[in-house]
Amino acid sequence: DQQVKQNSPSLSVQEGRISILNCDYTNSMFDYFLWYKKYPAEGPTFLISISSIKDKNEDGRFTVFLNKSAKHLSLHIVPSQPGDSAVYFCAASSGAGSYQLTFGKGTKLSVIP
Amino acid sequence: EAQVTQNPRYLITVTGKKLTVTCSQNMNHEYMSWYRQDPGLGLRQIYYSMNVEVTDKGDVPEGYKVSRKEKRNFPLILESPSPNQTSLYFCASSPLQGLVEGYTFGSGTRLTVV
Repeated sequence: DQQVKQNSPSLSVQEGRISILNCDYTNSMFDYFLWYKKYPAEGPTFLISISSIKDKNEDGRFTVFLNKSAKHLSLHIVPSQPGDSAVYFCAASSGAGSYQLTFGKGTKLSVIP
Repeated sequence: EAQVTQNPRYLITVTGKKLTVTCSQNMNHEYMSWYRQDPGLGLRQIYYSMNVEVTDKGDVPEGYKVSRKEKRNFPLILESPSPNQTSLYFCASSPLQGLVEGYTFGSGTRLTVV
């Protein structure tokens, strides 16, 4: 059973608009969440993270929101740029100092110029 | 530069011919892991290692072996590759404690087994 779910395999957004990528999880022990970005022919790279003690974390154009009661997090990209076109993976870990990450299947974002 | 290096980047092989994909990291990370990425299935963990001589199975270990004789190296071994192991493979590493930015991934190895 998948513990981290990204139900949208793909998303298309116009340049300059907001991109919202969603992620749901089922394991209530997860307390740290990360987003990775992956370009073709490259490995995933860390984008942004959030701890369960927060409900929002911002880094420039990227904001992650966490709704613990709904077991849902989302990544907002504002404004979206063509260079943001990539596959985005949501990942989660549980327990302080945990080193094991559980990944979602990924969402392919296409930003249309 | 801190990095995880995988070799080769691309490999085409025949069924049954043993192969090894190498992975090396220069960050003195204790934790290393192998993933495979397949369309519609995302990243699935094959094996991981918490330190030298300590390895364990991930979600899809069948048909794979690993070893961790040195801290920096974590090779993935396919003793008898089969076509269903055609995939994109990633090695990753991280410190064992304090998972702040998660894993550092290698650039990937695209394996085709014919």
